[in-house]
Order: sequence, then C-alpha cells, then structure tokens
Amino acid sequence: DAGVIQSPRHEVTEMGQEVTLRCKPISGHDYLFWYRQTMMRGLELLIYFNNNVPIDDSGMPEDRFSAKMPNASFSTLKIQPSEPRDSAVYFCASSASGAGTYTDTQYFGPGTRLTVL
Amino acid sequence: TQLLEQSPQFLSIQEGENLTVYCNSSSVFSSLQWYRQEPGEGPVLLVTVVTGGEVKKLKRLTFQFGDARKDSSLHITAAQPGDTGLYLCAGAGGYSTLTFGKGTMLLVSP
Repeated sequence: DAGVIQSPRHEVTEMGQEVTLRCKPISGHDYLFWYRQTMMRGLELLIYFNNNVPIDDSGMPEDRFSAKMPNASFSTLKIQPSEPRDSAVYFCASSASGAGTYTDTQYFGPGTRLTVL
Repeated sequence: TQLLEQSPQFLSIQEGENLTVYCNSSSVFSSLQWYRQEPGEGPVLLVTVVTGGEVKKLKRLTFQFGDARKDSSLHITAAQPGDTGLYLCAGAGGYSTLTFGKGTMLLVSP
C-alpha cells in the first residue's frame, strides 16, 4: 500500500511568491496533520483535519498560511506571500483515529523542503 | 502548553556502545510515543507506551514510561550504525494531537 504522498519534495522560491504544498493521505485515514520542522523549533503542529474538516489551526503562524482539504484524498498548505523565515521542512501525516488517549499511529510523508530566498 | 524536553540533543558514539536518551515534561501524558527519523524522510513510529512504569523492548531498544507518566527513556544496547537517526518523543495529552520534543540526534560510527 502507498504511504502518505507529498509533493513537491523540494521547493525553492523567492520572497513574496505563493507556495502550495500538496498531500495525499493514506486511504481510509480520517485524520490529516500538517507539521513544520526546523532546527530551532523542532516539529510543530500547524493544523489538523478530521473527516476533511479543520479542527484546530491554532498552530498556523499567521494569516499568510492557509490549508484546505477538499476531499478525503487531498490536502493543500498554501503560503502567500512567502518569507525567508518560512524556510523549513513541511510534513503531512495521517492516522486512522486521533492521538488523544488512544494508541494510534501517525504515518508521515517524506516531507517538502521549502527554501524561500 | 505541554512541553517535552529531550536530552542529550546530540550523541556520537562508537558501534557496540550502550546509550540512553531522555524525554522529560512537567505535564502528564496519557501515552507517549517514540519515533525515529532518518535524513530526508518523515518520522516513523517505534513504540507507544501507555501505562505508568511500563517497559517495552524492541530487539536492542528498551523503552520506559515514568511512573507519573511525565517522562520516558530509550535505551539502546550495542548500538549499530543502522541506529543512526533523529529520535523523537511525542506525548498525547489533548484530543487527537501529539506534542513532539525537539529530538536527540544519534550518530553511531563503525
């Protein structure tokens, strides 16, 4: 079975440009998570969806970031306009159920390495 | 805000040595997970511990959850170069989400 698929794997853009990251979760998983990883801050949760509905976006840094999940097999994370401080590795993960008090597994994609010049 | 502190941040050892990495918090977690991340890839789940005082073994890896469910440790016996990677702990305390530590980067040299 295919795991979580992310595209592109690498993105280099200039400050001010719009960036769109894409994710296809594992089929049948009800939860989708977007994370950002940097050396300074580690792995941070940006937003998560349950059954395509955004549940908690309190981790989204600012209004320049937006995420959508139009259907169960596709999600996007958009940054507009991008800034150099947005440079990081962005991960998408999916799970069959929420972490909560349950011993559930989050499956991570390979990540998108974003560099904003 | 629940925080997880991992130590050490970086560890470089020779093949065959033993090591322990730690994950500490002032918060109580309902469960705690350990992940390993290799360069250019996403984290992969190694184990989940749920009960205070629980010990789980995965071949040469031993995971322990503190009695108060605020801390955890990972012990590796006779480390091998294939153990090289970033080890992340993650606590489940709120509904549906995990809080991750910053990780311990382990380098095992032949």
